[in-house]
Amino acid sequence: AQKITQTQPGMFVQEKEAVTLDCTYDTSDPSYGLFWYKQPSSGEMIFLIYQGSYDQQNATEGRYSLNFQKARKSANLVISASQLGDSAMYFCAMRELQGGSEKLVFGKGTKLTVNP
Amino acid sequence: NAGVTQTPKFQVLKTGQSMTLQCAQDMNHEYMSWYRQDPGMGLRLIHYSVGAGITDQGEVPNGYNVSRSTTEDFPLRLLSAAPSQTSVYFCASSTPRGQPQHFGDGTRLSIL
Repeated sequence: AQKITQTQPGMFVQEKEAVTLDCTYDTSDPSYGLFWYKQPSSGEMIFLIYQGSYDQQNATEGRYSLNFQKARKSANLVISASQLGDSAMYFCAMRELQGGSEKLVFGKGTKLTVNP
Repeated sequence: NAGVTQTPKFQVLKTGQSMTLQCAQDMNHEYMSWYRQDPGMGLRLIHYSVGAGITDQGEVPNGYNVSRSTTEDFPLRLLSAAPSQTSVYFCASSTPRGQPQHFGDGTRLSIL
């Protein structure tokens, strides 16, 4: 069973508008972490934002915020005031703890296109 | 400030050949991982290491070997390349406790 689900293969948004990228996760561990990465067409993986399972407040980093709903097991990325440079693949990932070590499990990604 | 360095950036192999993808980090990170990225599949974990001398299998380990003799280096070996191993390979490193992983720029590998 998929542990990270990103249901939107592609999303379109107008420049300067806000967009929400969905991510749901599945884990029975009480301690976990959720990450969002951006992958532009050049291919590199860029860390955007992190939310820990015990964090009381939703994470924010500049124009990025994470809408963390623990009971629903969702960790949606909100990008405010979209820019053309935001066009990229976006991956949601979950940190799992197994046997004292950490592993990162990725979703399949959402391709965001920002239109002028 | 090099971060995570992967070499080579591109490689073409013939079926049955072996090769080693190199990964080095200069941040003194304990954790290092190898992922492969295929279209529509996201990133899948191949092998990972929590420190020098310690490695473990990820989701798709078959056909790959790793070793971690130093903190800095984590090479990935393809023993006998197969067309199914055509992919983009990423190496990543991090400190423990949920810190974000730092990724290399990737190696694009084609197996003919």
